Amino acid sequence: AQSVTQLGSHVSVSEGALVLLRCNYSSSVPPYLFWYVQYPNQGLQLLLKYTSAATLVKGINGFEAEFKKSETSFHLTKPSAHMSDAAEYFCAVSENTGNQFYFGTGTSLTVIP
Amino acid sequence: GAGVSQSPRYKVAKRGQDVALRCDPISGHVSLFWYQQALGQGPEFLTYFQNEAQLDKSGLPSDRFFAERPEGSVSTLKIQRTQQEDSAVYLCASSLDGAGPREKLFFGSGTQLSVL
Repeated sequence: AQSVTQLGSHVSVSEGALVLLRCNYSSSVPPYLFWYVQYPNQGLQLLLKYTSAATLVKGINGFEAEFKKSETSFHLTKPSAHMSDAAEYFCAVSENTGNQFYFGTGTSLTVIP
Repeated sequence: GAGVSQSPRYKVAKRGQDVALRCDPISGHVSLFWYQQALGQGPEFLTYFQNEAQLDKSGLPSDRFFAERPEGSVSTLKIQRTQQEDSAVYLCASSLDGAGPREKLFFGSGTQLSVL
């Protein structure tokens, strides 16, 4: 079965600083990888997804993630944090077959003014 | 509607009560998923529908949990004889076609269930 590990349940950055949220997956075959964001009292929203077309994936709100097969990683980055980026971020993986997403435990991002 | 709608937003139940949670997916979406999100955890898969067919229910934690989507649109997750460990946020998600989770999922805001 797939699994996802998000290092750091809480991350704090200053406004304007680099955002780096870490995600590692376990898979014997290249999976589909996703980052979802959850704002308070809202449903999860797709930020970006990797489907093997390109290793660097650009998403909404200036976020991007790079698939590194050798490191089994899919870290999320944003060059300059905004106050509006404060939210819970979830990395998820799904296989080429089957119907399941496997979510990480989430990383809560705080942006300090 | 414009998005996935779930009701009620909050539900408090006494241990042993039955509850029913409703999900209205985006109109025309083929796939529908239910997830359970415990406090401080990521969402965990419960079950998957393609139209009215329940194709995967491997994530349902016990036979007290039952889900249906009789007409291929609205879905109901029913929990019988609720226990305290059932306390969680229950998320519903839908996607346009039958490709399952490889496609973009649209999530509802969830139903927060508290069992006392």
